Amino acid sequence: GAGVSQSPSNKVTEKGKDVELRCDPISGHTALYWYRQSLGQGLEFLIYFQGNSAPDKSGLPSDRFSAERTGGSVSTLTIQRTQQEDSAVYLCASSVGAGDSYEQYFGPGTRLTVT
Amino acid sequence: AQTVTQSQPEMSVQEAETVTLSCTYDTSESDYYLFWYKQPPSRQMILVIRQEAYKQQNATENRFSVNFQKAAKSFSLKISDSQLGDAAMYFCAYRSGGAGNMLTFGGGTRLMVKP
Repeated sequence: GAGVSQSPSNKVTEKGKDVELRCDPISGHTALYWYRQSLGQGLEFLIYFQGNSAPDKSGLPSDRFSAERTGGSVSTLTIQRTQQEDSAVYLCASSVGAGDSYEQYFGPGTRLTVT
Repeated sequence: AQTVTQSQPEMSVQEAETVTLSCTYDTSESDYYLFWYKQPPSRQMILVIRQEAYKQQNATENRFSVNFQKAAKSFSLKISDSQLGDAAMYFCAYRSGGAGNMLTFGGGTRLMVKP
């Protein structure tokens, strides 16, 4: 079946602009995670959604970052007033549920470049 | 907070030989999971192998096996009969037990396979 998909694959934006990154999880997966992979910080957790529960936003680096998940499926990560330090690969992952045994399946990521 | 350390930024192995990638972690928890992920140039993270902390037996998946030393908080990955397709970034990751917990990643090891 189809895996996790993310769009766009690459995004170049000017400093100060807003960007939206999209994640389509595997159908039926109730848990969704966003991670950021950057040269300086490595791979770091951003936010987690599980069903209709309030998301875990503990990893968001600043209030310029927000995310939503509509209808328990597609998720959008929004970065407002982008800065050069936001340049990174943004990875999305989903899992069947939130339990211990559930593997996280990753998408191919969106490479964001802020000029 | 948990930390994961991979002390080898780069490793090289001859095709058909065996290589071991190192990983250490720090935690005060007793219930957790450890993972090795492979990230090829396509950026998509692929789960290689997982280990439950409560299991004493080391996990194996075909040519991949781990040496899990719980007391030493060490979790190394051994790749036997290395193949050209094994060339990638390898990330060690930690996840706390319980629902919905995110992955904490090490800094990664770039594995090169020489023909």
